[in-house]
Amino acid sequence: SQQGEEDPQALSIQEGENATMNCSYKTSINNLQWYRQNSGRGLVHLILIRSNEREKHSGRLRVTLDTSKKSSSLLITASRAADTASYFCAVGISSGSARQLTFGSGTQLTVLP
Amino acid sequence: DAGVIQSPRHEVTEMGQEVTLRCKPISGHDYLFWYRQTMMRGLELLIYFNNNVPIDDSGMPEDRFSAKMPNASFSTLKIQPSEPRDSAVYFCASSFGAGWEEFQETQYFGPGTRLLVL
Repeated sequence: SQQGEEDPQALSIQEGENATMNCSYKTSINNLQWYRQNSGRGLVHLILIRSNEREKHSGRLRVTLDTSKKSSSLLITASRAADTASYFCAVGISSGSARQLTFGSGTQLTVLP
Repeated sequence: DAGVIQSPRHEVTEMGQEVTLRCKPISGHDYLFWYRQTMMRGLELLIYFNNNVPIDDSGMPEDRFSAKMPNASFSTLKIQPSEPRDSAVYFCASSFGAGWEEFQETQYFGPGTRLLVL
C-alpha cells in the first residue's frame, strides 16, 4: 500500500508552542501533500512538496521530505487555538491521466489556549 | 467560486433503501473524486473521473455502489440497497489535474454528506 501513516495519532500542546507531525509511506511518489480537516468539515489543502524537493515553507508551515526514508514531517510554528484540527498527509501518484492521492489516518492536533 | 457543492448534507435512511449523493465540482476542474470517511477505515478513495470518464473504480466496495458523471458539472454516487455498514461521511473533491503546478494537483473538497443507514 502507498498509504501514508501519521505519527502521532493525537497531539496536545499549548498555544505558542510548535507542533510536529510525521508521515511515513511505502512506495515511490510524485508528491506528498498535507491537508487539514476541521471537525465536521471537508479537507483543505495546506501544502505540496515534490519528490525532488527536501523542504518547503508556507507561512507558519514547514514541510520536509526524505525520500530515502520515505518520510515527511509537518511543522506548525507558534501554534494557535485555531490550528486545532486533524492533519492528514497524502501521497500523490501522477502518471498520464492518473491522479491519485492516498491519505493517511491523520493526526488530531489540539492547541490549548 | 462557491467551491465543491454536495447534497444532501445529511441523509438518514433505512436499510434496503436507495441513496443518491450529488456533487457539483468547481467549474473548469477536469477531475472528480469520491471518498468515504469512517473512524475505522479513515479516508478511502472510491472512484475518480477525468473529463467525465471513470479512471479507477477499484475502491468501490461492491456492486451496490455505482457512480456516474453525465457532464462536467455533475456527478452522483448511488448506493442500492443501502446497509448499516455504509454509514459514513462521503466526500466529493475536484482538481484541475491538467498540469503540474501545485494548484493543478491540489484537490478541493466539498463539505461532505453524512449518511446514516438504520
